[in-house]
Amino acid sequence: LAKTTQPISMDSYEGQEVNITCSHNNIATNDYITWYQQFPSQGPRFIIQGYKTKVTNEVASLFIPADRKSSTLSLPRVSLSDTAVYYCLVGDPRGSARQLTFGSGTQLTVLP
Amino acid sequence: EAEVAQSPRYKITEKSQAVAFWCDPISGHATLYWYRQILGQGPELLVQFQDESVVDDSQLPKDRFSAERLKGVDSTLKIQPAELGDSAMYLCASSLAAGGDNEQFFGPGTRLTVL
Repeated sequence: LAKTTQPISMDSYEGQEVNITCSHNNIATNDYITWYQQFPSQGPRFIIQGYKTKVTNEVASLFIPADRKSSTLSLPRVSLSDTAVYYCLVGDPRGSARQLTFGSGTQLTVLP
Repeated sequence: EAEVAQSPRYKITEKSQAVAFWCDPISGHATLYWYRQILGQGPELLVQFQDESVVDDSQLPKDRFSAERLKGVDSTLKIQPAELGDSAMYLCASSLAAGGDNEQFFGPGTRLTVL
């Protein structure tokens, strides 16, 4: 099972770009990288998923280097409402979800 | 926008009592998941269904927990008897059948407190 390592917490200010890096040294060939966001007392919400290079959607970008041993979630121009826990998951989405270990995530706090 | 429904939202019970949680996934989603989330930690998978069949229940404490999805639509998670350590948020999620895009949609969860 691919294990991920991400910072426990990060602080940022409104309007700044935030980059959260996740390490996954033993990622397997069929594994995808998925990021979720979770607000207090709510279920996690899918942000973005990628396999290699760069993926961008309306809320974030995901950068994956060629060796795929790490990935970076980039949130452009954060606001106070982006304060949440962000989880990096690595695994084959076609298999059991048990391999998609959430871990403890990164607590992002956006300050005014 | 379609959502995963869960009930109840909150449940307080005494240890040794039985509790049950209900989940209604997004229509058309064949895969359903139950997670347990302890405060300060990430969600931990308890059981995964594909239609009415269990795909993975390796982390479900089967001596006290049971889960079913009889008609392949809604699902029930039961704990009997409840223990103090079961206090947690119980999350249900659903996703479309297996494929490269396997985004999970989570419900609001049931907050269980065992006294």
